[in-house]
Amino acid sequence: GQNIDQPTEMTATEGAIVQINCTYQTSGFNGLFWYQQHAGEAPTFLSYNVLDGLEEKGRFSSFLSRSKGYSYLLLKELQMKDSASYLCAVISRNNAGNMLTFGGGTRLMVKP
Amino acid sequence: ETGVTQTPRHLVMGMTNKKSLKCEQHLGHNAMYWYKQSAKKPLELMFVYNFKEQTENNSVPSRFSPECPNSSHLFLHLHTLQPEDSALYLCASSQLPSTGEAFFGQGTRLTVV
Repeated sequence: GQNIDQPTEMTATEGAIVQINCTYQTSGFNGLFWYQQHAGEAPTFLSYNVLDGLEEKGRFSSFLSRSKGYSYLLLKELQMKDSASYLCAVISRNNAGNMLTFGGGTRLMVKP
Repeated sequence: ETGVTQTPRHLVMGMTNKKSLKCEQHLGHNAMYWYKQSAKKPLELMFVYNFKEQTENNSVPSRFSPECPNSSHLFLHLHTLQPEDSALYLCASSQLPSTGEAFFGQGTRLTVV
């Protein structure tokens, strides 16, 4: 099975930088996603990593180390609207195909 | 708008009612998913349909019954639910076996009274 761990809650200040970590244990690893989910809304796609290294997309960057089973999402120049839950999800291959499994999510609160 | 549409957005039903949730995707994807999201809990995968064939059933109680008549539509039939089944039910679709990025619908907020 899959096991995905990320902190439950984090607090940061507007304008600052925050790093949200995710560790995973899975067989048949085939990529890792980060999603953003505002309260009461559906998750929206932020990033996808399948190779080791850093992927940068504007204020958001995502890093992956496959050997360590570790990823992080880096948010720069935090804005109040960044207050949301951030979901780490791992895609793994089984006999039936690719499966997407989510971690519990990290609730980020951005304060003025 | 993600290309995945769920109806209704909100549903209140009694424990003896029968209702259905509908999901429709216009992305040409070949896989569709039902997820349950309860308060303060991770997203829980309920069912997966790959090319209209159910490939995953995560020990979901039989009071939840999925139906996938074609690759664009997915239903979740509900009957004799319990109050603890109140949650946000999310439908998603993806294209397998590529990167598999899942696109989500807006969800149905279900309250069982």
